[in-house]
Amino acid sequence: AQTVTQSQPEMSVQEAETVTLSCTYDTSESDYYLFWYKQPPSRQMILVIRQEAYKQQNATENRFSVNFQKAAKSFSLKISDSQLGDAAMYFCACAYDSNYQLIWGAGTKLIIKP
Amino acid sequence: KAGVTQTPRYLIKTRGQQVTLSCSPISGHRSVSWYQQTPGQGLQFLFEYFSETQRNKGNFPGRFSGRQFSNSRSEMNVSTLELGDSALYLCASTLGGYTDTQYFGPGTRLTVL
Repeated sequence: AQTVTQSQPEMSVQEAETVTLSCTYDTSESDYYLFWYKQPPSRQMILVIRQEAYKQQNATENRFSVNFQKAAKSFSLKISDSQLGDAAMYFCACAYDSNYQLIWGAGTKLIIKP
Repeated sequence: KAGVTQTPRYLIKTRGQQVTLSCSPISGHRSVSWYQQTPGQGLQFLFEYFSETQRNKGNFPGRFSGRQFSNSRSEMNVSTLELGDSALYLCASTLGGYTDTQYFGPGTRLTVL
């Protein structure tokens, strides 16, 4: 079975510091896409970052970057200079070539301490 | 461009009743996915529609059904409601590919009493 695992149910970080959220996935597929989505409290889920597995270069979006280790099947999200507005649930997800759906992790709740 | 809209936003029903939720995707998006989100189970995939055809279905009982219309709007129906159906129901649309970015609606909060 294809799975996505987020081993940290909750993380906290001081404002302005850096935090890394972990995600591992399990697949035998060769072609897939990885995502991090953010769900702020009582607000809509939005995409943070998207990575195509065939691309070696790690995706980056402003303060958000990923560390994609294909061999280790790891896709962690690094948030630099954390801000209060980054407080949210973060979900890792994977889309496989053979599936018409995303496989989702259980989520990590990120708390930002002022 | 308008985002994904879901109606109603909140719903209270009693056990045994049925409910229909609606989702209007972003204009031009042909794929709509539905999810059930609960605190204990996280995000669970219900089904995905593309051009009025269901392409995939999650592991939910037959009480959960859906459809998509020619304008890409989608509805999901839950019959014979159970207490455990209380959840936030999210829909998301994409241009067409499941590997594309999904754009989510605000969700419908369903409470079953």
